[in-house]
Amino acid sequence: GENVEQHPSTLSVQEGDSAVIKCTYSDSASNYFPWYKQELGKGPQLIIDIRSNVGEKKDQRIAVTLNKTAKHFSLHITETQPEDSAVYFCAANPNQAGTALIFGKGTTLSVSS
Amino acid sequence: SQTIHQWPATLVQPVGSPLSLECTVEGTSNPNLYWYRQAAGRGLQLLFYSVGIGQISSEVPQNLSASRPQDRQFILSSKKLLLSDSGFYLCAWSLYTGVKYTGELFFGEGSRLTVL
Repeated sequence: GENVEQHPSTLSVQEGDSAVIKCTYSDSASNYFPWYKQELGKGPQLIIDIRSNVGEKKDQRIAVTLNKTAKHFSLHITETQPEDSAVYFCAANPNQAGTALIFGKGTTLSVSS
Repeated sequence: SQTIHQWPATLVQPVGSPLSLECTVEGTSNPNLYWYRQAAGRGLQLLFYSVGIGQISSEVPQNLSASRPQDRQFILSSKKLLLSDSGFYLCAWSLYTGVKYTGELFFGEGSRLTVL
């Protein structure tokens, strides 16, 4: 089955710096790669996603890149702000009806002002 | 619009006691439903998912079980809790149109279970 590895597990940056989180997946059939942000005590929320027919997607300060050949994808946050501090999860979808997203173990991002 | 409700929000139970966590979804029909558990250092672990009433797939062998008695209701249960069952349990739903799998998961606010 699908396996998703996420690095780093913790990341500390200064406000205004960029943050990059990387994930690799194992199942070449996976075709959907979302990123979720989880604030303390809450459920994760989707922040950006990318499908396998696209190499890069950007939404304001957040971007995701996908390399299908290498089976890895990354989240890029520019001009970080303290409110970006949270746990971020990457995930991959095995592209089968009814199956669930497989998540990485998460990255705790801390942005200090 | 669609909403997901999950309860109770927090629960403290002794070892060996039963468990029932409930999740309901409003505003959509025939959603796929999921139970995830979040334990420290293990990310989001898929426990169960369901594509329809009475259809449950288990991803992790354990003393937990799930049921889907109605289209938009998903229940996580245990007959006897273990210390290792402590964690943050998340219910989620997604929409499968029958033609295209949208993929996006919508999570509830979670239930924090502490087993003592």
